[in-house]
This record gives sequence, structure tokens and C-alpha cells, in this order.
Amino acid sequence: QQQVKQSPQSLIVQKGGISIINCAYENTAFDYFPWYQQFPGKGPALLIAIRPDVSEKKEGRFTISFNKSAKQFSLHIMDSQPGDSATYFCAAGRTSGTYKYIFGTGTRLKVLA
Amino acid sequence: NAGVTQTPKFQVLKTGQSMTLQCAQDMNHEYMSWYRQDPGMGLRLIHYSVGAGITDQGEVPNGYNVSRSTTEDFPLRLLSAAPSQTSVYFCASSYPDSHEQFFGPGTRLTVL
Repeated sequence: QQQVKQSPQSLIVQKGGISIINCAYENTAFDYFPWYQQFPGKGPALLIAIRPDVSEKKEGRFTISFNKSAKQFSLHIMDSQPGDSATYFCAAGRTSGTYKYIFGTGTRLKVLA
Repeated sequence: NAGVTQTPKFQVLKTGQSMTLQCAQDMNHEYMSWYRQDPGMGLRLIHYSVGAGITDQGEVPNGYNVSRSTTEDFPLRLLSAAPSQTSVYFCASSYPDSHEQFFGPGTRLTVL
């Protein structure tokens, strides 16, 4: 009930291509779904987040698609750049009650120049 | 604004030794958390605090202690280090009405 399953584990994309990372959750009480970006040797940093009252959120080249009925959400990186090469984590949590977030296992993205 | 700071950056311990990982933030955030990051396992919550004097357990609390005597500091104590605690440890903080967590740079711990 508490797991967040993330795929793929690693991804190689050509410069200018679209990177897609998928996550699935089990707990229907979750109502906050962020994506974090982590560069080697650094801590994760919030990239973009969505709440289940919308099906899509876009910020620049980054888009979250959310499917509430399927309990799935995904990150799309348009026009991928070598500077996007990093590890991406999805997470899920509740905006009320306990302050706990469940993270996915991470996707290592490499964008080839 | 230094944000979230962690010390030390690297540490090597022998089995059975104890130590404290330090975490401090200067953003006046009420919420602070400790995570460990292991290959293929993502970030797992160890302990968290919603304010000074209040702490609670996360997913993997065994072998770790925390306390929160001030808003700024949230140290993590390893009571008797074990090789299974070899990991990268991250501290994070946030405001209670914002769900964006700010992470520190991490402490890489090796237990021999």
C-alpha cells in the first residue's frame, strides 16, 4: 500500500529527444506527487509537482501527466539536453496528516550529445 | 542563506562505533527529515520532525536516534554502527504549508 514503483531504472536518450519516466502508486490517500532531480554528488532538488485535481502540469520542457484511475503518473522531458543527465525520483505523499513521502527507486537518465 | 548544511561530507566508521551526523538549516523551516539513499532503493525516510521537541519514525528507524532541541538543528545519531548502515544520508527541510523539501548535500558513510 505504501510503495511507489518507478521505471525504467536507466534511460539513454539522444539530444532533442523525449525522455519518459513512469511511476505507479498504491495508496489512494496520496494527493501530492513531486519529481526530484539529483546530480552526482548533490542532494535531490524539486523539479515539478502535481496534485490529483489536474491531469497535466507543464513547466518549461518538463511535463507531469497524471492518471488518477490508473494510479500512475509520468515525467516527460521534451527536447532533452545533455544538462538534463541526472537521476530522477518520483515521490508520493499526503498534504495533510503525517508528513511522510514515499520515493521511487530512481531513474538514471543520460542524454547523448 | 546557506540553506541546508550537513557535516561531515564523508565518514568511515568501524562496526560498533557511534557517531552523530549533523544537519542545520537557516530558513526557519519547521519540518526536517533524514533519509538514506542506497543503490536501487531510492530515498527512504529514517526519522522526521514537525517542530522543536517533536520527532517521529519513518520507514527505517532502527539503529538511529534523533532529537530536535532547536528549529535549526536536527542531528542523527548512530548508536552502534553496522555495515548495513553504509549509505548516503540526506537531511531535508520544508515549511509546513509547502511540500517542497530542500535537501542538504549529503553525508557518505562507510561502516567497515
